[in-house]
Amino acid sequence: GQNIDQPTEMTATEGAIVQINCTYQTSGFNGLFWYQQHAGEAPTFLSYNVLDGLEEKGRFSSFLSRSKGYSYLLLKELQMKDSASYLCAVSDSNYQLIWGAGTKLIIKP
Amino acid sequence: IAGITQAPTSQILAAGRRMTLRCTQDMRHNAMYWYRQDLGLGLRLIHYSNTAGTTGKGEVPDGYSVSRANTDDFPLTLASAVPSQTSVYFCASSDGQGGGTDTQYFGPGTRLTVL
Repeated sequence: GQNIDQPTEMTATEGAIVQINCTYQTSGFNGLFWYQQHAGEAPTFLSYNVLDGLEEKGRFSSFLSRSKGYSYLLLKELQMKDSASYLCAVSDSNYQLIWGAGTKLIIKP
Repeated sequence: IAGITQAPTSQILAAGRRMTLRCTQDMRHNAMYWYRQDLGLGLRLIHYSNTAGTTGKGEVPDGYSVSRANTDDFPLTLASAVPSQTSVYFCASSDGQGGGTDTQYFGPGTRLTVL
């Protein structure tokens, strides 16, 4: 079967750095997405990785290792507004997105 | 403001009733999707449409139907609602020909409760 694993919940301090991991086992791979979802709102796009390595976009970076079936989202200089769920999704061999359950990130002052 | 709208925002429905969730986008995106989101589970694809006039089944299509008469609208119908269909439903769209390499843009969601 297809599986995306993420930690259920993480806590971090304002101004700090946090790394949210995602491991996947899917039938095929056509890229990995990270989305942010604030409580009660729609998911919004953060990043897309299809090649190995690190993609940096402001305070957020995303890393991919296809050989290890592993990705992480790195958030720097955490702000209270970063409190949200972070969703990892993999495009499988049918080009359909398989979604993880999400990681709820709690930021404390 | 360009984007995706969904209606209703929330609904309480008696089991056995028919219900249509509406979704409209004004970005002229080719592909549209319907997902359900349940606590502790990832988003699950119900149905999708890569272009107007075509639809396909996702991971959990049973009990749901869709149509895509034009580019902008993609309604989701529950023919006879059951309590297990209680969920938050998100409509999404993407540019290109659909599929999992395009960024998907989500509507605000419909919270549906079936009693």
